[in-house]
Amino acid sequence: KNQVEQSPQSLIILEGKNCTLQCNYTVSPFSNLRWYKQDTGRGPVSLTIMTFSENTKSNGRYTATLDADTKQSSLHITASQLSDSASYICVVSDDKIIFGKGTRLHILP
Amino acid sequence: GAGVSQSPRYKVAKRGQDVALRCDPISGHVSLFWYQQALGQGPEFLTYFQNEAQLDKSGLPSDRFFAERPEGSVSTLKIQRTQQEDSAVYLCASSLGATPGAYEQYFGPGTRLTVT
Repeated sequence: KNQVEQSPQSLIILEGKNCTLQCNYTVSPFSNLRWYKQDTGRGPVSLTIMTFSENTKSNGRYTATLDADTKQSSLHITASQLSDSASYICVVSDDKIIFGKGTRLHILP
Repeated sequence: GAGVSQSPRYKVAKRGQDVALRCDPISGHVSLFWYQQALGQGPEFLTYFQNEAQLDKSGLPSDRFFAERPEGSVSTLKIQRTQQEDSAVYLCASSLGATPGAYEQYFGPGTRLTVT
């Protein structure tokens, strides 16, 4: 079983709408949890990073939350734009760095 | 400043050929990581260097895979006798500090390897 599970696998929404991506993990303990955005044909780029003690972090229209009790994180995207079409990857780090498989987000005009 | 660069960006190899993929990390970054990313999947860890020392190669899928970073900067991932299952994007990332996961990783654009 993957230690970092993401859902949904893919998501299609209309431009301007909000969406929330989920990440469940079993890695414990961990030092930090990151969300990355990966555009097609490019390497991942960090959006947010949260330590064990943080429960929310924002970066513009992106807001990540973390519930260490339930071992869940979410990434909320507000007022989506066409440029948000990408894969979003949840990464949990301790002495190892474990990537989720990502959620593929498609924004339709 | 310059980010992480990788070359070539695309590589087509016939089954059985050897390939060498290059990564130029951000100058001064201590840590360097190689990942393999299959289509529609997240990156899978291959190996990790701290300066020139290869501290973790537990993710290398077989002894056909070999990585080096002889002077603690540029790294090369070599795949011998390529197989079709080696087709993937190979990502390189570097980070400033020595502890994996503690520092931000900066990724290169990847090399897309297609084995025919």
